[in-house]
Amino acid sequence: GDSVTQMEGPVTLSEEAFLTINCTYTATGYPSLFWYVQYPGEGLQLLLKATKADDKGSNKGFEATYRKETTSFHLEKGSVQVSDSAVYFCALRGFGNEKLTFGTGTRLTIIP
Amino acid sequence: GAGVSQSPSNKVTEKGKDVELRCDPISGHTALYWYRQSLGQGLEFLIYFQGNSAPDKSGLPSDRFSAERTGGSVSTLTIQRTQQEDSAVYLCASSFMRGGTEAFFGQGTRLTVV
Repeated sequence: GDSVTQMEGPVTLSEEAFLTINCTYTATGYPSLFWYVQYPGEGLQLLLKATKADDKGSNKGFEATYRKETTSFHLEKGSVQVSDSAVYFCALRGFGNEKLTFGTGTRLTIIP
Repeated sequence: GAGVSQSPSNKVTEKGKDVELRCDPISGHTALYWYRQSLGQGLEFLIYFQGNSAPDKSGLPSDRFSAERTGGSVSTLTIQRTQQEDSAVYLCASSFMRGGTEAFFGQGTRLTVV
């Protein structure tokens, strides 16, 4: 079945550092890929998405590119801020199978 | 409604009691999902609905857990004879039935079994 493997956390970075959170997936067909974010004390919200190969999703300075050849959807940001501290979840939605499958989440802490 | 609504927001129950958790999805969303998030843990898939049917119930932890959806709208997750290990935040999400569309999450029900 579908699965998502996400970089283990927690990750601690200094403000203005470069961020990469790795995500790889296993799925049949052409899934849609998502990154969700959960800020402290808040609910899950969509950060960005990509629906086909080579698509780049972007939002709030974060980017992720749908790489079918490497089955990856790594999250990147060039310069992180303290306000980016949160838990980040990679997810996929199978084509023809609408189940939404999540990775285990990566807790990110940014220190000033 | 404007967003996914879950009730109650908090529930404290005694071990052995039954509880019902309610999810009111966004109007027009035909897919509905239930997840569980234990303290400091990731999202554990429980069940999802396409309309009123549940193609995938594989995540329900035991036969004490059941869920239904009526009228293609509101869903209820029922936990019978609650145990302490059932304590968690139960999240509901809904979406349109198109692969590229995202799911929208409710704020969750925090269940504490004492």
